[in-house]
Amino acid sequence: DVKVTQSSRYLVKRTGEKVFLECVQDMDHENMFWYRQDPGLGLRLIYFSYDVKMKEKGDIPEGYSVSREKKERFSLILESASTNQTSMYLCATGGTVYGYTFGSGTRLTVV
Amino acid sequence: KNQVEQSPQSLIILEGKNCTLQCNYTVSPFSNLRWYKQDTGRGPVSLTIMTFSENTKSNGRYTATLDADTKQSSLHITASQLSDSASYICVVSAGGGATNKLIFGTGTLLAVQP
Repeated sequence: DVKVTQSSRYLVKRTGEKVFLECVQDMDHENMFWYRQDPGLGLRLIYFSYDVKMKEKGDIPEGYSVSREKKERFSLILESASTNQTSMYLCATGGTVYGYTFGSGTRLTVV
Repeated sequence: KNQVEQSPQSLIILEGKNCTLQCNYTVSPFSNLRWYKQDTGRGPVSLTIMTFSENTKSNGRYTATLDADTKQSSLHITASQLSDSASYICVVSAGGGATNKLIFGTGTLLAVQP
């Protein structure tokens, strides 16, 4: 089974802090995704990457950046955390051929 | 505009009863439709995937149907168990290729009570 591991289940950060969310997958998948999930809005795509050092903006990239230095690791960066970035963040890997596998999520609270 | 709408928003049923969740979509071009189960505080886990030509697919007590003409899908849960309490999310893939776009519904929150 593909495993997608997110480094933290819960995080509390202060406004203005730089925040790193890490995601690691243990299969050789090219595609990795970062979503945020908010009540009533469903999952929204922040960024995705289809290869090392490649990245594409999703639907809501503002306030975020990403890094993909190794195939198995995809990092989401909040350059200066704000309270409206309090959310559940989900990493996923896969595609049409393999299907999609999600990590367990990181619940981020910005105070 | 690509959209996926689910109903009801929430549902409470008694253990052992059946229930049906609905998903209507306006997504073009359609690639496939997935149902996910998401336990509280966890990531979504895939239950079924259906392509354009498939009408019904089962996974244990879960049965998904797809009507590509009316652009509707349903997820039927038989003999519900307390562990079925979760959010069920309908996801439609638009386009083609490895990075085709996923359109998420907002989910149906199911509570199964003893």
